[in-house]
Amino acid sequence: DTAVSQTPKYLVTQMGNDKSIKCEQNLGHDTMYWYKQDSKKFLKIMFSYNNKELIINETVPNRFSPKSPDKAHLNLHINSLELGDSAVYFCASRQGTNTEAFFGQGTRLTVV
Amino acid sequence: AQSVTQLDSQVPVFEEAPVELRCNYSSSVSVYLFWYVQYPNQGLQLLLKYLSGSTLVESINGFEAEFNKSQTSFHLRKPSVHISDTAEYFCAVSDHGDYKLSFGAGTTVTVRA
Repeated sequence: DTAVSQTPKYLVTQMGNDKSIKCEQNLGHDTMYWYKQDSKKFLKIMFSYNNKELIINETVPNRFSPKSPDKAHLNLHINSLELGDSAVYFCASRQGTNTEAFFGQGTRLTVV
Repeated sequence: AQSVTQLDSQVPVFEEAPVELRCNYSSSVSVYLFWYVQYPNQGLQLLLKYLSGSTLVESINGFEAEFNKSQTSFHLRKPSVHISDTAEYFCAVSDHGDYKLSFGAGTTVTVRA
């Protein structure tokens, strides 16, 4: 039973398109995150929601828009995709601030 | 705001040899510290964590890390590595009371026979 699941696992799309990545966690956690891992493996936090409220919004182009319909789901919508958006995007969840985060398997986005 | 520095980007090591991965953090408050492992084409898995209590923490597969507050470090060690330990290792830090979890740049461990 997957704790944090992301769909799709792979996404290949053309420049200029709009795409969404979905994330669901069944751990009952109150906080969810989106991270971007670039080709050098560096993990950069993008957004975080706590109980459906945006609490972390790092320096990310406004083409990226997260949405949390409930505390178990956090989706990421990307408009006008660019070549530089190619990366692996990870969703994570966490309960409170004094515990570890649990990660999904990642979505490999390739923009051509 | 917290930050993490992993001092080694790549660590090649022979099977059954010891390995140490260095991690230093910067924060003005108390912190929680984590080591995650990422196998090829997979997500991140927690290896071990320091939340409070004993400064030496261990994982079930033989890794250990020691929190050193004076040196602001959380180095990861294993006395004898296996081929299967080949992976990317990430150190992460979170300030007490802060939802932000920040990662180091990662250390690639390659174990050779």
